[in-house]
Amino acid sequence: EDKVVQSPLSLVVHEGDTVTLNCSYEVTNFRSLLWYKQEKKAPTFLFMLTSSGIEKKSGRLSSILDKKELFSILNITATQTGDSAVYLCVNYGGSQGNLIFGKGTKLSVKP
Amino acid sequence: NAGVTQTPKFRILKIGQSMTLQCAQDMNHNYMYWYRQDPGMGLKLIYYSVGAGITDKGEVPNGYNVSRSTTEDFPLRLELAAPSQTSVYFCASSYSRQGIYEQYFGPGTRLTVT
Repeated sequence: EDKVVQSPLSLVVHEGDTVTLNCSYEVTNFRSLLWYKQEKKAPTFLFMLTSSGIEKKSGRLSSILDKKELFSILNITATQTGDSAVYLCVNYGGSQGNLIFGKGTKLSVKP
Repeated sequence: NAGVTQTPKFRILKIGQSMTLQCAQDMNHNYMYWYRQDPGMGLKLIYYSVGAGITDKGEVPNGYNVSRSTTEDFPLRLELAAPSQTSVYFCASSYSRQGIYEQYFGPGTRLTVT
């Protein structure tokens, strides 16, 4: 069965901390791994990763994929209260070639 | 572009009632999807469509029906609503499924069945 496992499920940090969110997967026909940020409404796209070892960066966020060990990490440096959200790790693949969602990591950043 | 729009934003149904969740996109995307998200869970695929007139079941299709008469619209029908269908429903679209393209999500519909 295809699955995406995120850890931790929730995390509380203070502003300025650096956090690392983890995502491991077992997915047939893997095509790509995506990270989404979900605040109160719909998920918004952060990164799409297809190749191992190539870091994607956007401001204070960065992510990398390891296709051999089947995991990805999402780093957020110098966290701000606006980073508080659920971060979803998603695999694009599986037997139906669709998105397979992890349960998410709920990040709370305290002032 | 409005992107992906969904109506209504909220709805309360009684057990056994029916309703249609509306979804529209103006990006000329061929692929459209319906997901449900239960509290503390990832999104699960209900139905998807690869183009007008073509739909297929996802992971959790029971209790739902869809149609795709136009590229823009992809309504989700709930027949005989049950408490287990209480969830947040997201519609999404993408340019292609076979390639590596991100999905664009609508704002969601929060449905409560009592």
